[in-house]
Amino acid sequence: AQSVTQLDSQVPVFEEAPVELRCNYSSSVSVYLFWYVQYPNQGLQLLLKYLSGSTLVESINGFEAEFNKSQTSFHLRKPSVHISDTAEYFCAVTPSGGYQKVTFGIGTKLQVIP
Amino acid sequence: SQTIHQWPATLVQPVGSPLSLECTVEGTSNPNLYWYRQAAGRGLQLLFYSVGIGQISSEVPQNLSASRPQDRQFILSSKKLLLSDSGFYLCAWSGRVRGHNEQFFGPGTRLTVL
Repeated sequence: AQSVTQLDSQVPVFEEAPVELRCNYSSSVSVYLFWYVQYPNQGLQLLLKYLSGSTLVESINGFEAEFNKSQTSFHLRKPSVHISDTAEYFCAVTPSGGYQKVTFGIGTKLQVIP
Repeated sequence: SQTIHQWPATLVQPVGSPLSLECTVEGTSNPNLYWYRQAAGRGLQLLFYSVGIGQISSEVPQNLSASRPQDRQFILSSKKLLLSDSGFYLCAWSGRVRGHNEQFFGPGTRLTVL
């Protein structure tokens, strides 16, 4: 079985400051990793994903995440946040190879302060 | 392109009343379908998933049930709602590509049980 830990339930940060949202996972098999974003009263949208290859993955709006197998982490970073980045962010993991369920973390609320 | 619909968007129901939430997917065939509940501070809880018509797996014992009468239709039901059933219900689908389980979410239904 897999598990995901998002240690920070809320992260306040000033506009244009950098941010890191932490995600650690546990799994006995190789995995795929995802970050989803949820804006208020909306469904989740995929932000970025790691399937294989380069351990650094990027989104179109400036976020990036790095897969670190030795530390079992997949932290999400952005060098300069905007007000529009205020949302809840979910880290998720699924075993690679074949159909499997996805396990989500409890989410981290990013609040960007003007 | 694929789209996923959920209705209603919001619902207020008295305790003990029945429930029916509907989810439909367009633009794909034979998807895996999921129902999640999101309660404040508790992240996403997988309630049911389905790999085909009439095939339902329950993750959490409760007074909810799910059905899949058609390939791209997924229904969440209850005969008698409880206060604890309040929450944000999300439907999601994923493709049947082996080794990849990226999920796509609907807009959600906000259920308030009074």
